[in-house]
Amino acid sequence: EIVLTQSPATLSVSPGERATLSCKASQSVITYVAWYQQKPGQAPRLLIHDASTRATGIPARFSGSGSGTDFTLTISSLQSEDFAVYYCQQSYEWPPFTFGPGTKVDIK
Amino acid sequence: QVQLVQSGAEVKKPGASVKVSCKASGYTFTTYAIHWFRQAPGQSLEWMGWINVGNGDIKYSQKMQGRVTITTDTSATTAYMDLRSLISEDTAIYYCAKDRDVGLWRGGFWGQGTLVTVSS
Repeated sequence: EIVLTQSPATLSVSPGERATLSCKASQSVITYVAWYQQKPGQAPRLLIHDASTRATGIPARFSGSGSGTDFTLTISSLQSEDFAVYYCQQSYEWPPFTFGPGTKVDIK
Repeated sequence: QVQLVQSGAEVKKPGASVKVSCKASGYTFTTYAIHWFRQAPGQSLEWMGWINVGNGDIKYSQKMQGRVTITTDTSATTAYMDLRSLISEDTAIYYCAKDRDVGLWRGGFWGQGTLVTVSS
């Protein structure tokens, strides 16, 4: 089973600042990585698929990069609505799909 | 538009079973696979299983194998997840999700979730 680790566990950022979230896979997942945003009481919201493709309707301030084992989600200028938990997920080798433990982005 | 509408919250006693439904609309039901996930309180997401709605192929998580059954009713365009021998650790929100493109997950398209609480 492919293990995903995310860092940091919590990221404290001021509105308008840049946030950089990391996701590392225990073996290569090529670019089969998705990023999700989740707010309390809501289902995960897809932000990025295939490591770097923004999903429909996702603002351009969200970008994804990486391949192989190292992936990054960048939020270029944090807005108030971006404070949430972010998860990465791999779909290269399954079953099972696996998820990282999440990074919580909170207000500094 | 594509919609996956799940059944309502359930409260079950330990040892019981629960069946969660996922009603699909807005697309050809048999063309896209459906996955089931769950999320325990304060935890990350966990993949439970997958069904190819078109040909009936099924894969389950090793952890869940033997306790979970995924089925579909194509005439009702509905998928079901049945979980047996419930324990308190099964308390979670359960989600269905479909492939975003034919044969490709690409982050999926998710239902709203169903809270299942297991408590004596």
